[in-house]
Amino acid sequence: NFILTQPHSVSESPGKTVTISCTRSSGSIASNYVHWYQQRPGSSPTTIIFEDNQRPSGVPDRFSGSIDSSSNSASLTISGLKTEDEAGYYCQSFDASNGIFGGGTKLTVL
Amino acid sequence: QVQLVQSGAEVKKPGSSVKVSCKASGGTFRNDAISWVRQASGQGLEWMGGIIPVFSTTNYAQKFQGRVTITADKSTITAYMELTSLRSEDTAVYYCARGMYYYGSGSYGLRHWGQGTLVTVSS
Repeated sequence: NFILTQPHSVSESPGKTVTISCTRSSGSIASNYVHWYQQRPGSSPTTIIFEDNQRPSGVPDRFSGSIDSSSNSASLTISGLKTEDEAGYYCQSFDASNGIFGGGTKLTVL
Repeated sequence: QVQLVQSGAEVKKPGSSVKVSCKASGGTFRNDAISWVRQASGQGLEWMGGIIPVFSTTNYAQKFQGRVTITADKSTITAYMELTSLRSEDTAVYYCARGMYYYGSGSYGLRHWGQGTLVTVSS
């Protein structure tokens, strides 16, 4: 199985843009969809990006996802940061019917 | 609106088993899949396994093989996760999640999540 590596934490100011990376250790990042989840303290995760770059209805277009084969990574970009975006963010993919999560990134908006 | 409602918190002794339920709204599972994910306090998310209810096909993470059983009752649109031989390290919040099953890659979507069930394992 591969692993998905995320930065442990990132911080940025309100109104700015932040990008969270998710790097796959082996195999192609493009071989399975990457999904992203937001988790606020004390709450269940919610899907903010599915199938690499699709946004569920109700998720603001400030959130976007992409994959980059050259760096074998996926990225979550949040523009126009708001204090309510402060949360944990997890990337997730699959390998041979086995789910793999990144370790999660704590986003601080200060 | 897809909703998943899980059973309540459980306290179990080491060596015992726990069975958590996850009832879906919407009248049918359709062709969706159900996954179970757990999260220990302050830790990340861990996929345990999943089921495609229309076929009763299951997949389990290697770590949990032999200890976890995932089932689904199509008549009540309820999925279950049973974990046996409990130990203190199994103390965690257990989530069910529902989404597409991607047949080409054999992977599960986790589009909609339940509210979570806290399982505490303590003597």
